[in-house]
Amino acid sequence: SQKIEQNSEALNIQEGKTATLTCNYTNYSPAYLQWYRQDPGRGPVFLLLIRENEKEKRKERLKVTFDTTLKQSLFHITASQPADSATYLCALDDNQGGKLIFGQGTELSVKP
Amino acid sequence: NAGVTQTPKFQVLKTGQSMTLQCAQDMNHNSMYWYRQDPGMGLRLIYYSASEGTTDKGEVPNGYNVSRLNKREFSLRLESAAPSQTSVYFCASSEQSVSYNEQFFGPGTRLTVL
Repeated sequence: SQKIEQNSEALNIQEGKTATLTCNYTNYSPAYLQWYRQDPGRGPVFLLLIRENEKEKRKERLKVTFDTTLKQSLFHITASQPADSATYLCALDDNQGGKLIFGQGTELSVKP
Repeated sequence: NAGVTQTPKFQVLKTGQSMTLQCAQDMNHNSMYWYRQDPGMGLRLIYYSASEGTTDKGEVPNGYNVSRLNKREFSLRLESAAPSQTSVYFCASSEQSVSYNEQFFGPGTRLTVL
């Protein structure tokens, strides 16, 4: 079965720097990969989707890459701000009809 | 639009008690999902409903039942709660049950079973 690994340790960075979060998967390459943001005490919120034939996707200060050879997706936040502090989840399709498998998330803390 | 709403927000049960978690969406979505989130485990799918009138098991269905009451509402029932079911429960919806559709999540129900 598919396994997803995200940085288990929290990522602490300085305001203005670029944050890079990693999502690794172990089995088949998914057709789609999604990234969500989750604030404490709230439900996840969708950020970006990238398809297997796309190497990179951008949305404002966010950039996602998808490397099917490395079985890895990287999620970048450029010019990070304290308001970007949250937990970020990656999710892959389960290859069985559209359900998503979520990683455990990486907590990002941006210090002023 | 309220999006996805869940009730209650918090609940404390004793072992063996039963309860139903309610979920409703106002986005006219076909597909709805129930997840549980535990520390270090990520979101795990309990049950989902690809469309009105259908329900299917997810990764961790044991101890739960669901009802897709209509297109808007999808409830999750714990018949005999156990301490292992202490968790945060999220309901979500999407236009279709396909992996390129984003999922919209509710605010969650925090359940403690003593």
